[in-house]
Amino acid sequence: DAGVIQSPRHEVTEMGQEVTLRCKPISGHDYLFWYRQTMMRGLELLIYFNNNVPIDDSGMPEDRFSAKMPNASFSTLKIQPSEPRDSAVYFCASSRGRLFDNEQFFGPGTRLTVL
Amino acid sequence: GEDVEQSLFLSVREGDSSVINCTYTDSSSTYLYWYKQEPGAGLQLLTYIFSNMDMKQDQRLTVLLNKKDKHLSLRIADTQTGDSAIYFCAELTDKLIFGTGTRLQVFP
Repeated sequence: DAGVIQSPRHEVTEMGQEVTLRCKPISGHDYLFWYRQTMMRGLELLIYFNNNVPIDDSGMPEDRFSAKMPNASFSTLKIQPSEPRDSAVYFCASSRGRLFDNEQFFGPGTRLTVL
Repeated sequence: GEDVEQSLFLSVREGDSSVINCTYTDSSSTYLYWYKQEPGAGLQLLTYIFSNMDMKQDQRLTVLLNKKDKHLSLRIADTQTGDSAIYFCAELTDKLIFGTGTRLQVFP
């Protein structure tokens, strides 16, 4: 398996623009997680899905952030409108089995810069 | 509240042992983890320890858990330049809470 795939790897955009980050989890994994990593706040869980259904979105910063998982092999994280403080590395991770008891496999991340 | 703290930097000479420390606050943690992040990559699970254990050894890695003090450490024996990375500890309560990460630099 190719592992968790994220695209794009780097995104530079201007404030106010819409940004869409994409993730393909490992085949057969039923949990998908979106994390954000910044120097100030470290690694934060934004939202996670189980069998394509959002379970906990309490980490989503505000209404400008939304995430979807239309099928088992694809998820998006959208920011609209983007702001400079959204600049961070966004990681997608997936796992199989009981929530958090099993290893989460991380993608390489998307480095987002909002000017 | 939930809080996991680590020192930001550690610098060691190649061949020496590295000890990375972590403190957490939630006594209900069931598992504690160590993840490694290499430049430009995602996190990779290194090892984990169940909360009722004191120590776990896995080749060059030794994890020590002091549940009373809520202190976790990762010891890397015979540190190599390839060990240079950011190391995150994480505690499992109802979700994974990550520390801020410790950047380990190994010099010749």
